[in-house]
Amino acid sequence: NAGVTQTPKFQVLKTGQSMTLQCAQDMNHNSMYWYRQDPGMGLRLIYYSASEGTTDKGEVPNGYNVSRLNKREFSLRLESAAPSQTSVYFCASSETVLVGGNQPQHFGDGTRLSIL
Amino acid sequence: QKEVEQDPGPLSVPEGAIVSLNCTYSNSAFQYFMWYRQYSRKGPELLMYTYSSGNKEDGRFTAQVDKSSKYISLFIRDSQPSDSATYLCAMSAIRDNYGQNFVFGPGTRLSVLP
Repeated sequence: NAGVTQTPKFQVLKTGQSMTLQCAQDMNHNSMYWYRQDPGMGLRLIYYSASEGTTDKGEVPNGYNVSRLNKREFSLRLESAAPSQTSVYFCASSETVLVGGNQPQHFGDGTRLSIL
Repeated sequence: QKEVEQDPGPLSVPEGAIVSLNCTYSNSAFQYFMWYRQYSRKGPELLMYTYSSGNKEDGRFTAQVDKSSKYISLFIRDSQPSDSATYLCAMSAIRDNYGQNFVFGPGTRLSVLP
């Protein structure tokens, strides 16, 4: 049981290059998320997808786009990478509870991205 | 002032010690509180989830919330080397479905020495 799988694990880009980070989950979760984690700043939400076919901005969406390809897959795209986007990127998934209630998120192991 | 603050550590303790990890926050509207454990080169995993004030216990872990002081704690009893990790607190003001309003602390790095 893989849980949440992220690819690639590491990547180095040059400023201005584009890249897509891939995420897939096998837990049949409805909701998926992309976070970035920077030293001293905690996790910050970039985008989330409440269900297949929907996406919404989080706290720090500028410079990113997302695609919810199907229920399993949620990708994050950097169109023109900038050094400020050097970070560790985490994908997560969770169930949704329509009547309310926070649900635990299951995280992947991250993509370490460096932009020179 | 950051919304959620944690001492980054590192905190080093001998095996078997009681560990106290803490977060302070400024937003009095927070009422859902979580603790995550993150091993090196891994994603966070949820340890404890509490609502409002009070204590919650799960095995060797106890989460405590003091809303009047805007202070939350995670206690680890009989600490083990396998507890060595970074511990993140997170909190939310509303009972949202998707966690889009979670605010995470930066984490405290803990080392339990054998």
